[in-house]
Amino acid sequence: SQTIHQWPATLVQPVGSPLSLECTVEGTSNPNLYWYRQAAGRGLQLLFYSVGIGQISSEVPQNLSASRPQDRQFILSSKKLLLSDSGFYLCALRGGGETQYFGPGTRLLVL
Amino acid sequence: GNSVTQMEGPVTLSEEAFLTINCTYTATGYPSLFWYVQYPGEGLQLLLKATKADDKGSNKGFEATYRKETTSFHLEKGSVQVSDSAVYFCALILGAAGNKLTFGGGTRVLVKP
Repeated sequence: SQTIHQWPATLVQPVGSPLSLECTVEGTSNPNLYWYRQAAGRGLQLLFYSVGIGQISSEVPQNLSASRPQDRQFILSSKKLLLSDSGFYLCALRGGGETQYFGPGTRLLVL
Repeated sequence: GNSVTQMEGPVTLSEEAFLTINCTYTATGYPSLFWYVQYPGEGLQLLLKATKADDKGSNKGFEATYRKETTSFHLEKGSVQVSDSAVYFCALILGAAGNKLTFGGGTRVLVKP
């Protein structure tokens, strides 16, 4: 079965510091992968998706970037964090049909 | 564009009460519809889904019917438990090649013993 790993689980970073969040998946090959952000008390917003190695689509302009260096690895990065980058970051993969399955998430607090 | 509207929470219920969370959508086409649940401190779990009009998704005692005529996908459970306390998200995706899940704002449900 498909498994999604995200780390770290929780992260506290100062404003202006860099960021790297990692998502790896198991039990599938060539998956579509997604990064979503959930701001406090709000719904989810799609940030990036990737249909293959090196292929990234950005949904909204922002302070973040994404990369897919390997088939089962999806990385979310920033060179300089902003306070508004705080939130709960969820990685997802597309399973059978159109269903997306989510990882456990990374809670990021920027101070 | 596509959008999903959910009733705002929080919804507070007593154990064994009937739960309904309203969800309506706007889409340029015929979407697939989903309910996800987020338990405290966790990621999202797929609760149920429906891919075409009149389909009924069901899981863990929850049900939702895809109503094309009212563009709705209301979530119901006949008898809630304390363990059902969570945030529930309605979502849609459009087209077999669709990449973007469009979410509602989420509804927090609190079930008291």
